[in-house]
Amino acid sequence: GAVVSQHPSWVICKSGTSVKIECRSLDFQATTMFWYRQFPKQSLMLMATSNEGSKATYEQGVEKDKFLINHASLTLSTLTVTSAHPEDSSFYICSADPGSGRAGTQYFGPGTRLLVL
Amino acid sequence: GESVGLHLPTLSVQEGDNSIINCAYSNSASDYFIWYKQESGKGPQFIIDIRSNMDKRQGQRVTVLLNKTVKHLSLQIAATQPGDSAVYFCAENIGNNNAGNMLTFGGGTRLMVKP
Repeated sequence: GAVVSQHPSWVICKSGTSVKIECRSLDFQATTMFWYRQFPKQSLMLMATSNEGSKATYEQGVEKDKFLINHASLTLSTLTVTSAHPEDSSFYICSADPGSGRAGTQYFGPGTRLLVL
Repeated sequence: GESVGLHLPTLSVQEGDNSIINCAYSNSASDYFIWYKQESGKGPQFIIDIRSNMDKRQGQRVTVLLNKTVKHLSLQIAATQPGDSAVYFCAENIGNNNAGNMLTFGGGTRLMVKP
């Protein structure tokens, strides 16, 4: 149990294109989902916290108009990278909190690698 | 182009030896800690966790030690196997507060197991 999927796994796009990444909790409901970005040989950096039915909370330095997050249901959150540029190329990872009551529990997706040409 | 960032510290061990991976955390208010394993091109995988009211917890072949005095966490892997080769991250959580279930990740350590 506690499986999180992401789609797509890989995406290559031209500069200026918008890219949508989906994060789904397959066998549990997640009131909170998190979006991380990971550059090569670096750690995961939290971008935003997404709560179902409300606006996402963005970390300092993350442009909310560039990284649009929608969490319309308890099993799906989407991250849209608008007008992507080469510097947005990264590994994007989502995680989902099942709300089990144990603080800090997050199940991670497999990640989406974005390459902007 | 590729962004220039920190290079992960690397721990190289012989197959069958024990591995110890260390992590320093900064927030004395953190009360829950998790170790994750990340293989190349994949998301983090939960290994073991520990709460701040404990100083040691054991799992299968893994042990986590917590020293709150010096804010230090370590992951010990017994009889390291080639399949243990990955990057290992510690993460900390401040429990129930305005940050909710947010995790803050450490820089990571690459473990390389030599056959």
